[in-house]
Amino acid sequence: AQRVTQPEKLLSVFKGAPVELKCNYSYSGSPELFWYVQYSRQRLQLLLRHISRESIKGFTADLNKGETSFHLKKPFAQEEDSAMYYCALSGGTSGTYKYIFGTGTRLKVLA
Amino acid sequence: GAGVSQSPRYKVAKRGQDVALRCDPISGHVSLFWYQQALGQGPEFLTYFQNEAQLDKSGLPSDRFFAERPEGSVSTLKIQRTQQEDSAVYLCASSPSGGVFIGYTFGSGTRLTVV
Repeated sequence: AQRVTQPEKLLSVFKGAPVELKCNYSYSGSPELFWYVQYSRQRLQLLLRHISRESIKGFTADLNKGETSFHLKKPFAQEEDSAMYYCALSGGTSGTYKYIFGTGTRLKVLA
Repeated sequence: GAGVSQSPRYKVAKRGQDVALRCDPISGHVSLFWYQQALGQGPEFLTYFQNEAQLDKSGLPSDRFFAERPEGSVSTLKIQRTQQEDSAVYLCASSPSGGVFIGYTFGSGTRLTVV
């Protein structure tokens, strides 16, 4: 079965410290991987997608097919990065129009 | 409109009551999706519309759940004879196309509590 695993419910780091939010997946087919973010009292929104190889707000994520991982990284955390982060998978047998989300990781950046 | 609008924001229903949740997508968006997010979980897919056609309803948990989008714009998710396990946030999202590549625009959700 296709699945996304985010092992950490909560991650606390100090401002300026590096951040890595873990995401592992299982799939059948060729997956597309995404990170979504939800800031306090805001809607869920797309942060980045692996196929674009983009860096958004200083965040990057590399797809590692060997380890089936798509960890989200930022070298220096900012207080405004505090939010709920969801890793999501699409494609393969799940279809290219819908996501399978992980359970999310709450990132708290401490001053 | 400027974004995806969902109403009501909060709904408390007595067990056994029927509820209807409304989603008003971004004007011109072809695709519309419903997701269910239980407490402490990620969103889970319920159903997908392209215009007025419901192309995938595989995520609907039971035949008590029904969704429609009769004119290809506003959508309604109806839950009959609500049960406590139906308590969740129901998210609607829309997209200009069917693929996920450009991402969805999500609404704020409707929080349903069944008592």
